Amino acid sequence: DVKVTQSSRYLVKRTGEKVFLECVQDMDHENMFWYRQDPGLGLRLIYFSYDVKMKEKGDIPEGYSVSREKKERFSLILESASTNQTSMYLCASRVQELASYGYTFGSGTRLTVV
Amino acid sequence: SQQGEEDPQALSIQEGENATMNCSYKTSINNLQWYRQNSGRGLVHLILIRSNEREKHSGRLRVTLDTSKKSSSLLITASRAADTASYFCATALASGSARQLTFGSGTQLTVLP
Repeated sequence: DVKVTQSSRYLVKRTGEKVFLECVQDMDHENMFWYRQDPGLGLRLIYFSYDVKMKEKGDIPEGYSVSREKKERFSLILESASTNQTSMYLCASRVQELASYGYTFGSGTRLTVV
Repeated sequence: SQQGEEDPQALSIQEGENATMNCSYKTSINNLQWYRQNSGRGLVHLILIRSNEREKHSGRLRVTLDTSKKSSSLLITASRAADTASYFCATALASGSARQLTFGSGTQLTVLP
């Protein structure tokens, strides 16, 4: 089975800090995604990547950036953390750029910004 | 606004009963997918139905798709306490970039023992 691993389950950071959320997948998937999940709002797409060094903005990219230097790793960066970025962050991957495949999700990182 | 919206937002049933959740969407799709999320965890892919399919089964799961009404339903038969989770529908658009999924807000299912 494909495994998507997010480096931290829980994270507490201070306002203004630069925060790195790491995601690694072990099945050579081309596509990787970062979502945030908030009560009542469902999952909202932050950024996605179709291949190494490629990235595209999702619906809510403001305040975030990403890095994909290696195929297996997709990092989400909060340039200057703010309290409104307190959320559950979910990473997902999918084989190839085809809509007819499901995503494999990591277990999520619950980030609290104080 | 969300492409997919689930209904009801919350559902509570007794073990052994069937659970039905609905999803409505707004624009033409390539496919629709259902996911489950246990509390505080990531989402797990359950089933995918393509726009040219009307019904699909997987174990105790039955998914229907009505493209004329832009709606889908997920039926879980003979529910178990372990089915307690949030269920999300997600759509891949038919036109333009079908690359990413758009998720709804989910239905919280509670199965009482």
